[in-house]
Amino acid sequence: EAQVTQNPRYLITVTGKKLTVTCSQNMNHEYMSWYRQDPGLGLRQIYYSMNVEVTDKGDVPEGYKVSRKEKRNFPLILESPSPNQTSLYFCASSLERGHNEQFFGPGTRLTVL
Amino acid sequence: AQKVTQAQTEISVVEKEDVTLDCVYETRDTTYYLFWYKQPPSGELVFLIRRNSFDEQNEISGRYSWNFQKSTSSFNFTITASQVVDSAVYFCALSDVSGGSYIPTFGRGTSLIVHP
Repeated sequence: EAQVTQNPRYLITVTGKKLTVTCSQNMNHEYMSWYRQDPGLGLRQIYYSMNVEVTDKGDVPEGYKVSRKEKRNFPLILESPSPNQTSLYFCASSLERGHNEQFFGPGTRLTVL
Repeated sequence: AQKVTQAQTEISVVEKEDVTLDCVYETRDTTYYLFWYKQPPSGELVFLIRRNSFDEQNEISGRYSWNFQKSTSSFNFTITASQVVDSAVYFCALSDVSGGSYIPTFGRGTSLIVHP
């Protein structure tokens, strides 16, 4: 089944404790991205990647890191999480660039205390 | 800079009513793509439609229809004879190549509540 998976689905952590949210897709998509969803703000892109080893900042990259060592995986790293990073996070992939429909993962609800 | 405005924060209708969700966009590009996504209460995001800027033909898919008008920079979404299962947050999105980047911009979403 074609899908985007994210782990964990739910995470409660404390300020400053490094965490990684994994994202994997099995559709051989070139383009992957991370979004955060906050009430009243819609979806905002954090980082995107157009292919392996090619990543770039989205609209709200501060406090986040990503890597794209393999085509299928695109982990999101919070080196020192802060309470303002409490949010719902979505990973997405598409065939290429940002012009194709995006397939979204199920979301990761992160709470930083 | 690109921008997507969904002015309706929340719409409440009774089943079988028709409802239109508005989407107004801004872009300087002549080539761009417009999308609609649905987010039901379960939380996942589901793709509904993509339109490129050169195709102004309206689209109908069952009870769903989309009206793309470049003259007013709008890409509105109509649900005919709404059903409870249509209750969701709907996002309009725009993707262009402003400055060489490919950052899709989403509107803030419209929450549609369909009452039985």
